[in-house]
Amino acid sequence: QSVLTQPPSVSAAPGQKVTISCSGGSANIGNNYVSWYQQLPGTAPKLLIFEDNKRPSGIPDRFSGSKSGTSATLGITGLQTGDEADYYCASWENSLGAGVFGTGTKVSVL
Amino acid sequence: EVQLVESGGGSVQSGGSRRLSCAASGFTVNSNYMSWVRQAPGTGLEWVSIIYSGGSTYYAPSVKGRFTISRDNSKNTLSLQMDSLRGEDTAVYYCARGRTSGYFRTEFESWGQGTLVTVSS
Repeated sequence: QSVLTQPPSVSAAPGQKVTISCSGGSANIGNNYVSWYQQLPGTAPKLLIFEDNKRPSGIPDRFSGSKSGTSATLGITGLQTGDEADYYCASWENSLGAGVFGTGTKVSVL
Repeated sequence: EVQLVESGGGSVQSGGSRRLSCAASGFTVNSNYMSWVRQAPGTGLEWVSIIYSGGSTYYAPSVKGRFTISRDNSKNTLSLQMDSLRGEDTAVYYCARGRTSGYFRTEFESWGQGTLVTVSS
């Protein structure tokens, strides 16, 4: 059971916006950076966001990250069919001395 | 170009051992932190272990005492020695390169294609 909780699924029509929440606690999100990953079917994860809200080069600005207290959010605007994937948040968990991933969210484009 | 190629996956009996390797190219494995992340069939990602550039290692509670992460700078490879394997260790194992040399981060900018380990009873 992950210490980072995400909604199982979110969906929206093409061109619309979705947000994915990642709820944690003071031992993880509250005191450590959050990163976000996209995993397309059958492929390895891809880093979308690091240090809460920064995008690696090559990641479009349709993807954004934010954090407030012990929760983080990934936003995807201008939704495209190619965005259909599983999305995971991640952070360091001080009480475990280990990294943790969120439970994962499946994004569907209607 | 950064590339990570895992090997060593396969079938193993419960209680047995397996060693995974990750061959790195385009960078040196001791420059940034390196991790193993696994994904059981049909489930989410699970962080397994990390080794920092300074050599410090950390493990998920589920594998602590059974798995050992290491690196060979001369061969530029990352390894994961897995002992006392259990059914719940069945997963695709990915090696991943950290974005920086910083500590207590989970920012993996490069990933291998993964190698499947199946533990049977």
